[in-house]
Amino acid sequence: AQSVTQLGSHVSVSEGALVLLRCNYSSSVPPYLFWYVQYPNQGLQLLLKYTSAATLVKGINGFEAEFKKSETSFHLTKPSAHMSDAAEYFCAVTGYYGQNFVFGPGTRLSVLP
Amino acid sequence: EAQVTQNPRYLITVTGKKLTVTCSQNMNHEYMSWYRQDPGLGLRQIYYSMNVEVTDKGDVPEGYKVSRKEKRNFPLILESPSPNQTSLYFCASSLGGVWNSPLHFGNGTRLTVT
Repeated sequence: AQSVTQLGSHVSVSEGALVLLRCNYSSSVPPYLFWYVQYPNQGLQLLLKYTSAATLVKGINGFEAEFKKSETSFHLTKPSAHMSDAAEYFCAVTGYYGQNFVFGPGTRLSVLP
Repeated sequence: EAQVTQNPRYLITVTGKKLTVTCSQNMNHEYMSWYRQDPGLGLRQIYYSMNVEVTDKGDVPEGYKVSRKEKRNFPLILESPSPNQTSLYFCASSLGGVWNSPLHFGNGTRLTVT
């Protein structure tokens, strides 16, 4: 069975600092991985997805994630945090036909002025 | 505008009173699913549907029913709600059938069962 873990339920960074949100997966090969963001009182929005074309995936709002098969990781990063990045972030993995998305527990990102 | 629409946004009900949360998408998506979101647990899949008249259980289906009579609609039915079903519910859809098709989410329904 697939599973996703996200280290750190809450991460705080200063504005302008590096953002690193961790995601590790347990899945049959190949894994199909996504990052979603949830702003208050809203549904989830896609940030980026792993397509297997490249291990470094670029998403919206300056975020990117690197797929590392040897570490079974798909960590999300952004070089410089902005106040508007404060939200909850979810890593997800899905089956071959996209039929059963499994989400991690989420990481709440706070950005301090 | 392409969207997934859920109704209602907020719902307070009492134990045992049947309710339905509606979900509709206008993107001609094959795949639709329901999730519940609880603090510390992330999103857990309740039911999903790969196409019309095809539904299957997710990870937490107990106490819920769904139907997919039309491609665009996927209502979630709670026949006899209980307090442990108090949660934030999301409907989502995708093209389906392809591994990298992302989910599009509705804005959620916050359900309180007293």
